[in-house]
Amino acid sequence: GIQVEQSPPDLILQEGANSTLRCNFSDSVNNLQWFHQNPWGQLINLFYIPSGTKQNGRLSATTVATERYSLLYISSSQTTDSGVYFCAVEAGADSWGKLQFGAGTQVVVTP
Amino acid sequence: NAGVMQNPRHLVRRRGQEARLRCSPMKGHSHVYWYRQLPEEGLKFMVYLQKENIIDESGMPKERFSAEFPKEGPSILRIQQVVRGDSAAYFCASSPGRREAFFGQGTRLTVV
Repeated sequence: GIQVEQSPPDLILQEGANSTLRCNFSDSVNNLQWFHQNPWGQLINLFYIPSGTKQNGRLSATTVATERYSLLYISSSQTTDSGVYFCAVEAGADSWGKLQFGAGTQVVVTP
Repeated sequence: NAGVMQNPRHLVRRRGQEARLRCSPMKGHSHVYWYRQLPEEGLKFMVYLQKENIIDESGMPKERFSAEFPKEGPSILRIQQVVRGDSAAYFCASSPGRREAFFGQGTRLTVV
């Protein structure tokens, strides 16, 4: 099956800093989503981005499907950005509806 | 438009009991998915359902686990004769088709 690798595994940021999270995947994808799991365990949709670039407030994402990676940018980080960021992909004709999650990047934003 | 609703949020069961987890998809969504998050294994796909049909159950354990999405009512994930290893967070997601999936808040199952 498809492999999804996220880096870095852990990230400590001071409030106000910018950061880039990366997601590499081993095959072409039909679907790619970024999620934020907050400290209360809730999974929050950030982006649906199988290709291209999107922005939502201080967050933006870019997927370069031909090179099999996606990037999530966090600008002017806030303590509420803490949590785990997951990349998840759906790949292949027999994988419709089946998201394969990466291991996540644990982000801690300190005041 | 309410999001994906899961209940209960927390569930405690003794070993050998049955656990029933419920999921109401977002309005207009006919595709439902269940995922399990174990502490050391991350988020894993379990099953994909449409109304009255199981589309893909390749991630479901072969025994004790079952899922349904009836014509009326919520989707149900049922775990019979629970064991301590079933303790996990169970997430339901829904989508209107083969598009972006939205997740519920999860059910935290603890088996004592």
